[in-house]
Amino acid sequence: SSDLTQDPAVSVALGQTVTITCQGDSLRPYYADWYQQKPGQAPVLVIYGSDNRPAGIPDRFSGSISGDTASLTITEAQAEDEADYYCYSRDISGDLWVFGGGTQLTVL
Amino acid sequence: QLQLQESGPGLVEPSGTLSLGCAVSGGSISDSTWWTWVRQPPGKGLEWIGQIWHSGRTDYNPSLKSRVTISLDRSKNQFSLSLTSVTAADTAVYYCARLSAYNEADQYFYALDVWGQGTPVTVSS
Repeated sequence: SSDLTQDPAVSVALGQTVTITCQGDSLRPYYADWYQQKPGQAPVLVIYGSDNRPAGIPDRFSGSISGDTASLTITEAQAEDEADYYCYSRDISGDLWVFGGGTQLTVL
Repeated sequence: QLQLQESGPGLVEPSGTLSLGCAVSGGSISDSTWWTWVRQPPGKGLEWIGQIWHSGRTDYNPSLKSRVTISLDRSKNQFSLSLTSVTAADTAVYYCARLSAYNEADQYFYALDVWGQGTPVTVSS
């Protein structure tokens, strides 16, 4: 089991906005990174430090954190955003790392 | 631009040892960073296996700690994963990755910014 909890599946209409959440006690003292993974591909970092976007990631991807919950928001979702999304953070001890269970995003 | 490439047997017998390497190109294994292993069983999510600092310090997933070893091979500029006493539950795609530090307003954040393509490993006789 994961220390970080995500909804298994979420859907969004093309062009609409969707938020994917990640909940865990370890998020209170730390932060979350978010990864996008498409079938047969390695994960790609889309958000680090809860709300920072790496170079090359479209600005429709944004992140936030409040208390024990981190959120990834995709504004005006595109067909190519259909993928699995994973949050990643330290565990409560701070020495180890853990992934959330993942959220499968479907763009309708 | 740093690149990572996993290598190793795609098939391991039950109770045997899984051994994988991750070759680093475009950078040095001695760079001040954490080198990480992650795995993904078929149809399931990502699982953090562990990491090694350029100095050799390691951290492991508690659920695997008794069976896993991550090490550096500076002569080959690569880092390695060894997992003993494997079972079918260890069948997965294994990824190596770099944990990089990002400095935002004098606050450091860490994230896996470079990944290998992944290598599938099946545990079966």
